[in-house]
Amino acid sequence: DAGITQSPRHKVTETGTPVTLRCHQTENHRYMYWYRQDPGHGLRLIHYSYGVKDTDKGEVSDGYSVSRSKTEDFLLTLESATSSQTSVYFCAISSGQGVNTEAFFGQGTRLTVV
Amino acid sequence: KQEVTQIPAALSVPEGENLVLNCSFTDSAIYNLQWFRQDPGKGLTSLLLIQSSQREQTSGRLNASLDKSSGRSTLYIAASQPGDSATYLCAVSNTGNQFYFGTGTSLTVIP
Repeated sequence: DAGITQSPRHKVTETGTPVTLRCHQTENHRYMYWYRQDPGHGLRLIHYSYGVKDTDKGEVSDGYSVSRSKTEDFLLTLESATSSQTSVYFCAISSGQGVNTEAFFGQGTRLTVV
Repeated sequence: KQEVTQIPAALSVPEGENLVLNCSFTDSAIYNLQWFRQDPGKGLTSLLLIQSSQREQTSGRLNASLDKSSGRSTLYIAASQPGDSATYLCAVSNTGNQFYFGTGTSLTVIP
């Protein structure tokens, strides 16, 4: 299994509070991604990173920010959590090297905003 | 924008049957296609990756095919078992660093 650790695995927070989710990899892969998974929508990309301090937005980035200060860590922050951000969040990694690129996923973080 | 569709959304079969899951995509200019398995409450586990130049890949009882020109892939599962029950997702990559996912097919294998 690819070495990807997400923390926390479960979190309940109140509306309006800031929340930070962490993804840690031991594979030294260049690309890291944050997705959210919701019934009926599948996996949607929030943000991704293509190197230290290099990040870009995905299709559902509003209300989220990210940071990558080290190759192995990618943080997702909800600045002021809302109930619509209740979801399961997945971190993924890939080497980004063309046709052989394979995506590997963490175990997910279940976030509930009450 | 790449659109990925998986039909049916749910499938129920008796144990021992061979089955086919379908994945279609709108932009044929892909680098590769990946099939994943997701168990309830778990992350995605990569099953097979097919490069754009390949027609199929096999792993045990699983065989994935790719017809890039028609924008289709199938995942064939032979001699299904109850342990195969899970959601199966396909994902395509257009650039090698962006992935587009279907919404998955939920498979139930009845003992």
